[in-house]
Amino acid sequence: EAQVTQNPRYLITVTGKKLTVTCSQNMNHEYMSWYRQDPGLGLRQIYYSMNVEVTDKGDVPEGYKVSRKEKRNFPLILESPSPNQTSLYFCASSSVTGGYGYTFGSGTRLTVV
Amino acid sequence: AQSVTQLDSHVSVSEGTPVLLRCNYSSSYSPSLFWYVQHPNKGLQLLLKYTSAATLVKGINGFEAEFKKSETSFHLTKPSAHMSDAAEYFCVVSRGSSYKLIFGSGTRLLVRP
Repeated sequence: EAQVTQNPRYLITVTGKKLTVTCSQNMNHEYMSWYRQDPGLGLRQIYYSMNVEVTDKGDVPEGYKVSRKEKRNFPLILESPSPNQTSLYFCASSSVTGGYGYTFGSGTRLTVV
Repeated sequence: AQSVTQLDSHVSVSEGTPVLLRCNYSSSYSPSLFWYVQHPNKGLQLLLKYTSAATLVKGINGFEAEFKKSETSFHLTKPSAHMSDAAEYFCVVSRGSSYKLIFGSGTRLLVRP
């Protein structure tokens, strides 16, 4: 089954403790992206990657890092999480054209206390 | 710059009555437009997409949307609401074959029995 898999689904952590949210897709998509969803704001792009070793900032990159060492994986790293990063996170992937829509993961609900 | 405005944050309809979720967009380029649905505690699912082919786009579950360039609108409709349609709906724009998605703030659809 074609899918984007995120782990974990739920995570509670403390301020300053480094964490990684994993994202993997099995569709051989070139493009991958991370979004965060906050009430009343829709989804906002954090980082994206056009292909292996090619990443760039989205609209809200502060406090986040990413890497794309393999085509299928695109982990999101929070080096020193803060409470304002409490949010619902989605990973998405697409073929480069994007015209066929994007496939989203099921989301990771992160709480930073 | 591109943007998308969902005109209603909440819409309430009775089961069996028509659904109208309104979306206006702004784009300097020929846009691709999407509607996504998010059920509670679920990821985002693509309902339909417009990519410069037919202006009336049919999607899954009986939904359709009409691209109106003169009005810069892409409203989502369904002739008869079902209880299972209760969810949050996002209108999304991207620039042609661009990688980046711009999300509206979402419309929560409530379906009354």
